[in-house]
Amino acid sequence: GAGVSQSPSNKVTEKGKDVELRCDPISGHTALYWYRQSLGQGLEFLIYFQGNSAPDKSGLPSDRFSAERTGGSVSTLTIQRTQQEDSAVYLCASSRLRATDTQYFGPGTRLTVL
Amino acid sequence: GENVEQHPSTLSVQEGDSAVIKCTYSDSASNYFPWYKQELGKGPQLIIDIRSNVGEKKDQRIAVTLNKTAKHFSLHITETQPEDSAVYFCAAQGGGGSNYKLTFGKGTLLTVNP
Repeated sequence: GAGVSQSPSNKVTEKGKDVELRCDPISGHTALYWYRQSLGQGLEFLIYFQGNSAPDKSGLPSDRFSAERTGGSVSTLTIQRTQQEDSAVYLCASSRLRATDTQYFGPGTRLTVL
Repeated sequence: GENVEQHPSTLSVQEGDSAVIKCTYSDSASNYFPWYKQELGKGPQLIIDIRSNVGEKKDQRIAVTLNKTAKHFSLHITETQPEDSAVYFCAAQGGGGSNYKLTFGKGTLLTVNP
């Protein structure tokens, strides 16, 4: 079946501009995660959505970052007033039901802030 | 919070040799330990995982061992092939209220030389 999809695959923006990154989870998966992967680093947890529960936003690095998940499916990660240090690959993952179910990752969006 | 250390950061082996990657974790409540393989330009893909009630799990040429007392787990790849070349990440998922969070190591770049 279809996996997790993300768009765009690449995004180049100028410092100070806002960007929106999109994630389509696997159909039927109730849990959705965003991670950030900086060059040569591991994956850094950003935010977690589970069903209709309030999301865990504890990993968002600043108030310029926000995310929403509409209708329990598609999610958008928004970065306002982008900075050069925001340049990274942003990865989305989804899992089936329980928090401990396997997380399946999308291909990521590579964000470059000039 | 959880901290995961991964070694080595790079590993080069000859085709047919074995490769071992080691990780340690800090939170004794962690109970799920997946390994992901990430090829260039792609998202991480789960290759094997282990839960804290088993000490070893094997899937063809790949095996993972877990020592909960010492808080470390390892990935073993036997009879390596050039297509095994990729970045490998270990992760630990905690217990308690944050049992959905995966904390990743910083990755190991494995190169298998033909």
